Amino acid sequence: GQQLNQSPQSMFIQEGEDVSMNCTSSSIFNTWLWYKQDPGEGPVLLIALYKAGELTSNGRLTAQFGITRKDSFLNISASIPSDVGIYFCAGRNYGQNFVFGPGTRLSVLP
Amino acid sequence: NAGVTQTPKFRILKIGQSMTLQCAQDMNHNYMYWYRQDPGMGLKLIYYSVGAGITDKGEVPNGYNVSRSTTEDFPLRLELAAPSQTSVYFCASSDTSGGYNEQFFGPGTRLTVL
Repeated sequence: GQQLNQSPQSMFIQEGEDVSMNCTSSSIFNTWLWYKQDPGEGPVLLIALYKAGELTSNGRLTAQFGITRKDSFLNISASIPSDVGIYFCAGRNYGQNFVFGPGTRLSVLP
Repeated sequence: NAGVTQTPKFRILKIGQSMTLQCAQDMNHNYMYWYRQDPGMGLKLIYYSVGAGITDKGEVPNGYNVSRSTTEDFPLRLELAAPSQTSVYFCASSDTSGGYNEQFFGPGTRLTVL
């Protein structure tokens, strides 16, 4: 089946640093979603993107819908300990189901 | 609103046993989904439903069955449990009206088949 690639696979950062991660697809999408999953919990939606080039913020999080429609980016500014978790991207095209990436595992060091 | 609820939270099955994973949502969403999550992998779609009485296969449906008799409930049935079905199972729902289709997830059921 179709798969998304996320990079990096995992990252360790110091508290207060900014974080960047991305998600790429071999197909074009018309919707990108970014989720965060805490240990033992279900994914929680962070940001939804519906238009190529769109830049959307949710507090310290900013996500962009790539202009090629084959990628998306998530940035976290001034990281804090509660940012720890796994960040998933998901994409879909019209009439199709969402495809999920394998996730980026974020660890924040105090 | 409770959102999406799932029961049980944990379960251990023996090979060949059967069980039903329960999922309910109180947001009046028309679409519901079942995913499995294996370590280091993205979510894989098992089955989905676009409304009561309508279900369809996802990417990995073998060994599972679903039913959707009401808008609120979408149970997932394992008939003959196998070790390959050891995974974390997530139920999700979405409301596609207005063109928005964000999915909301339940807390998951961790299943181990021995």
